[in-house]
Amino acid sequence: QLHLQESGPGLVKPSETLSLTCTVSGGSISSSNYYWVWIRQPPGKGLEWIGTIYYSGSTYCNASLKSRVTMSLDTSKDHFSLKLSSVTAADTAVYYCASPDSSSATYYKYWGQGILVTVSS
Amino acid sequence: QSVLTQPPSVSAAPGQKVTISCSGSSSDIGNNYVSWYQQIPGTAPKLLIYDNDNRPSGIPDRFSASKSGTSATLDITGLQTGDEADYYCGVWDTSLSARVFGGGTRLTVL
Repeated sequence: QLHLQESGPGLVKPSETLSLTCTVSGGSISSSNYYWVWIRQPPGKGLEWIGTIYYSGSTYCNASLKSRVTMSLDTSKDHFSLKLSSVTAADTAVYYCASPDSSSATYYKYWGQGILVTVSS
Repeated sequence: QSVLTQPPSVSAAPGQKVTISCSGSSSDIGNNYVSWYQQIPGTAPKLLIYDNDNRPSGIPDRFSASKSGTSATLDITGLQTGDEADYYCGVWDTSLSARVFGGGTRLTVL
């Protein structure tokens, strides 16, 4: 049973970089049994997949965000991170980290509680 | 604009049944597994259905789902007030190489 917890600043200024971390417990982030996902939800709107990072470090990103997204793993701390550069008000959202229960799964069983990030000066 | 189309809202009385549809295309629903998520306002989404029609342990059998062609449906029977939430379908889109979600359906139990 994995537990995921997002952390990071709740307020980011326009044009700056949003940086979030998802700490994983109950499993190893370097395990080939899982992959790790970022999803966001603007206030009052639906879910948007940001990207996926695998235990190998390879990543897949939403094409609409790819030029601004960096994802990484820190196996020593069992956490993975998201950086989104050049943010605007449109990036204001609740950001979730999530994962499946196996590397072959096509669904997200485990979710963090989410963190609201507001982009404002 | 979501790749997958869901009705914005549905409603029904307690004890009744409701169906939520999710319409896509051959590049998403037509050739990939669909999952469904329940999101009670203010909380994180919760997995309800995976691989088209499977329930994770702990999900009541009042929740069921199916897929046919490029559409999927979620059925909820014996509605309870606690079922009031937003429901999302999700699937991998092969042509976009991206995970996509429906726009969400708000269920109101009258």
